Amino acid sequence: GAGVSQTPSNKVTEKGKYVELRCDPISGHTALYWYRQSLGQGPEFLIYFQGTGAADDSGLPNDRFFAVRPEGSVSTLKIQRTERGDSAVYLCASSSTGTRGEQYFGPGTRLTVT
Amino acid sequence: QKEVEQNSGPLSVPEGAIASLNCTYSDRGSQSFFWYRQYSGKSPELIMSIYSNGDKEDGRFTAQLNKASQYVSLLIRDSQPSDSATYLCAVNSPDKLIFGTGTRLQVFP
Repeated sequence: GAGVSQTPSNKVTEKGKYVELRCDPISGHTALYWYRQSLGQGPEFLIYFQGTGAADDSGLPNDRFFAVRPEGSVSTLKIQRTERGDSAVYLCASSSTGTRGEQYFGPGTRLTVT
Repeated sequence: QKEVEQNSGPLSVPEGAIASLNCTYSDRGSQSFFWYRQYSGKSPELIMSIYSNGDKEDGRFTAQLNKASQYVSLLIRDSQPSDSATYLCAVNSPDKLIFGTGTRLQVFP
């Protein structure tokens, strides 16, 4: 079946602008995760949804970052007043209950803030 | 701060050899352990998961877990140039994953 999809694949924006990154998980996966990966680093956790609710948002770096998953499927990560330090690859992953935490990643969105 | 540690490499092995990748973790409460492969410019791909002490084999890959020593390893037998990638170790905490920085593996012909 189809894997996790993310759009856009690349996003270039100016400092101070607002961006939205979209994730469409594997069909039937109830858990959805957002991570951020900088060059030479492993993915860093941002937020985790179980269904429609954010079960853990402890990784969001500050209040400029916000994510929603209104119908328990597609999720949108929103970044306000972007800063150059927000430049990274934003990865989305999903998992199914009963798989003991196996997470499957989408292709990522490369965000560049100029 | 819960941590996952990996040697960044590069680890260089000749084609056909066994590549051994290691990882240590700090959270004794972790129950699930994963190895991801990441090619340059691509996203992480799950290749192995392990939950119990001992070995788990899948094709040319063997994952090893020792919870007492807080140690996870990945062995790749008969290494191929196509195995050249960064290998990420990940540990659950408890639902999110904590990743190491990855070990870059280079398999030369």
